Amino acid sequence: AQSVTQPDIHITVSEGASLELRCNYSYGATPYLFWYVQSPGQGLQLLLKYFSGDTLVQGIKGFEAEFKRSQSSFNLRKPSVHWSDAAEYFCAVGYFGNEKLTFGTGTRLTIIP
Amino acid sequence: NAGVTQTPKFRVLKTGQSMTLLCAQDMNHEYMYWYRQDPGMGLRLIHYSVGEGTTAKGEVPDGYNVSRLKKQNFLLGLESAAPSQTSVYFCASSYSPGVETQYFGPGTRLLVL
Repeated sequence: AQSVTQPDIHITVSEGASLELRCNYSYGATPYLFWYVQSPGQGLQLLLKYFSGDTLVQGIKGFEAEFKRSQSSFNLRKPSVHWSDAAEYFCAVGYFGNEKLTFGTGTRLTIIP
Repeated sequence: NAGVTQTPKFRVLKTGQSMTLLCAQDMNHEYMYWYRQDPGMGLRLIHYSVGEGTTAKGEVPDGYNVSRLKKQNFLLGLESAAPSQTSVYFCASSYSPGVETQYFGPGTRLLVL
């Protein structure tokens, strides 16, 4: 069965510092990978997604993610975080022909001045 | 274009009471989903629908029922609420399953006393 692991429950980063959130997926087929962001009290919003092609994907709000098949990873990065990036981030995996997405347990990001 | 809307935003129930959560989407999406979000558990799929008149069980379906009588609406029912159903419920919709972006509603916060 497909699964997603986000090993970091909570990360604290200084404003202006770089960020990397980890995501690992587990399944044999070619995955479709997503990163969503949830601001406090809000629903989830898509940041970026990977289906095929270039393994480095650009998303909204200056985020990017890199698909590494050899490591079964899809880590999210941002070179310089802003206070408004404080939120919870979810990685998700889907597969062609499968009706469901599987979400990770999320990483909460705190930004300190 | 409202996207995905959920009604109500917040509700308090007593154990044993029933209620229905309404999800509506105006994007003509075939696929609709109900998730629950609990601390440390991420999003877990309750039920989903692949089209009008269809429903299917997700990861945690017990204690919930759903109906999709109209393409744009997906109802989630709790027949006899239990404290374990205290959660935040999100509805989502997508054009196609598994590999397309899911669009989320703002959530319904449910407290069962």
